[in-house]
Amino acid sequence: AQSVTQLDSQVPVFEEAPVELRCNYSSSVSVYLFWYVQYPNQGLQLLLKYLSGSTLVKGINGFEAEFNKSQTSFHLRKPSVHISDTAEYFCAVSESGGGNKLTFGTGTQLKVEL
Amino acid sequence: DTEVTQTPKHLVMGMTNKKSLKCEQHMGHRAMYWYKQKAKKPPELMFVYSYEKLSINESVPSRFSPECPNSSLLNLHLHALQPEDSALYLCASSQGVSDTGELFFGEGSRLTVL
Repeated sequence: AQSVTQLDSQVPVFEEAPVELRCNYSSSVSVYLFWYVQYPNQGLQLLLKYLSGSTLVKGINGFEAEFNKSQTSFHLRKPSVHISDTAEYFCAVSESGGGNKLTFGTGTQLKVEL
Repeated sequence: DTEVTQTPKHLVMGMTNKKSLKCEQHMGHRAMYWYKQKAKKPPELMFVYSYEKLSINESVPSRFSPECPNSSLLNLHLHALQPEDSALYLCASSQGVSDTGELFFGEGSRLTVL
């Protein structure tokens, strides 16, 4: 069975600084990887996804992530954050042939400060 | 139209009440999901419907009863709930259950059980 680890529960960062949110996964088969964002009192919105092909994927709001198979990682990055990026970020994995059964990490609270 | 609409947004009920949560999507998706999310936790899968048939029940207590009247609608009937069932209930949809795991989420129904 797959699992996802988000080591950082909270990441404080100043506005316009770069940020990286870490995600590691474990699976014995091919996986699909996702980052979702959740703003306060809202549902989840897909930021980006890795299905196959290029290991660098670009998403909405200037975010990007790199799939590293050897390190089983899918870290999320943004070169310059904005106050509006303050939210909870969830990394998720589903296994190829797993019937869209998403497994979420525990989430990382990104807090952008002035 | 890429929306998943959930009603009501907020629900307060007593332990003896019967209520329902509703979810609707008009994206032509054939798979729909219920997730439960406790505060500061990731979403946990409850049920999956594929082509209007229940395909996954993650050992959810029978006081939660899902229903999929047609491919656009998903209900969650609630009866004799406990205070620990208070949570954000998220509905999601996807094109199918055998594709790439990309789910579209609604904004959720926040349930409080007194």
